[in-house]
Amino acid sequence: DIQMTQSPSSLSASVGDRVTITCRASQSISRSLNWYQQKPGKAPKLLMYAISSLQTGVPSRFSGSGSGTDFTLTISSLQPEDYGTYYCQQSYSTTKTFGQGTRVEIK
Amino acid sequence: QVQVVQSGAEVKKPGASVKVSCKTSGYPFTKYGFSWVRQAPGQGLEWMGWISAYNGNTNYAQKFQGRITMTTDTSTTTAYMELRSLRSDDTAVYYCVREGGDNTAYYFLYWGQGTLVTVSS
Repeated sequence: DIQMTQSPSSLSASVGDRVTITCRASQSISRSLNWYQQKPGKAPKLLMYAISSLQTGVPSRFSGSGSGTDFTLTISSLQPEDYGTYYCQQSYSTTKTFGQGTRVEIK
Repeated sequence: QVQVVQSGAEVKKPGASVKVSCKTSGYPFTKYGFSWVRQAPGQGLEWMGWISAYNGNTNYAQKFQGRITMTTDTSTTTAYMELRSLRSDDTAVYYCVREGGDNTAYYFLYWGQGTLVTVSS
């Protein structure tokens, strides 16, 4: 199975900060990389697909980049509602896998 | 609009089985498949498997092979996930997820609200 490794596992940042979360795949996954946001007690929500395509309704402060095995989710200016846990997920193989998650806390 | 509504919480004893349902509406049912994803308390997301609503083909994660069955019922536009031989470490919230995408991208688009399954003696 393709392993997905995220870093950091958690972060605390202030409103207005630029935040970056990285995700590394154990093998090349082409453009098959998606990002989700999950708030406590809620189902995850799709943020970004195919590395950099913003899901409808997601604010433009979220962006994605990368290729092959290394990917990044960036929040250009952190807002209070951006707290939660962020997961990357690969859809390259028939066995889908998630990263372990990055918890984002607002200072 | 697309809706994905799961059945309610379950409490099961070790060794028992659980069957979670996922009622959908708002789109042509057979056009998209479903994955099931679970989340143990305080843990991350774990993909369990996938089923095509078009022809019933399945692809299960190796970890669950032999004790999981996914099915769909096109007459009621409902997907089901049955997990057998339950253990305490199967205690988790189970999500039904309708896929999205096309030939160039595939992602988990519509998530059910989750079903808490508690396994306890």
